[in-house]
Amino acid sequence: DGGITQSPKYLFRKEGQNVTLSCEQNLNHDAMYWYRQDPGQGLRLIYYSQIVNDFQKGDIAEGYSVSREKKESFPLTVTSAQKNPTAFYLCASTDPRLAGPYNEQFFGPGTRLTVL
Amino acid sequence: GQQLNQSPQSMFIQEGEDVSMNCTSSSIFNTWLWYKQDPGEGPVLLIALYKAGELTSNGRLTAQFGITRKDSFLNISASIPSDVGIYFCAGQVRRGSRLTFGEGTQLTVNP
Repeated sequence: DGGITQSPKYLFRKEGQNVTLSCEQNLNHDAMYWYRQDPGQGLRLIYYSQIVNDFQKGDIAEGYSVSREKKESFPLTVTSAQKNPTAFYLCASTDPRLAGPYNEQFFGPGTRLTVL
Repeated sequence: GQQLNQSPQSMFIQEGEDVSMNCTSSSIFNTWLWYKQDPGEGPVLLIALYKAGELTSNGRLTAQFGITRKDSFLNISASIPSDVGIYFCAGQVRRGSRLTFGEGTQLTVNP
């Protein structure tokens, strides 16, 4: 089945450690996105990538880094510079080439990161 | 970055009641989307609107794209327990551009 996978579902880290969240898609989508979700704040865009080997900062990129070496993979690293990293992280993808009036973003199941 | 103003933040209703929630923006969007997020999962698209003034239905869901392109609402009729979750609106300026999300409406349905 086609879809987006994020692993692990729950992740615990000690303060000061970097951690990398996985996002893989087999939908053949060019564009991928990382969002952070905190209670009552909706989804805030961290980074996005429209094509392999290219990515742009979103609204809250500080303390995060990404890479896009393969079309199907868009890992997010939460660095020790991120002041409040505990949150629910969602990955999404879309295919801008598809015909139609809008681009549906498909979301993964999310990773809940807790920094102790 | 801009976020949409979504209200109410939370709703507690009885099974069978109708629900209404809305989103407003200070700027124009050419596409409005409504997503639902089940607890601990990623959001799933419910309805997409891409014409100003458009009213679209999907089962018990009805959504409208405001004529000014700065607002949208979602109605759920005859709510059932599985309607529980967080509902998000999202706006898109043009096809292929990023989405801007509202803060979400947390819906609780009591049987």
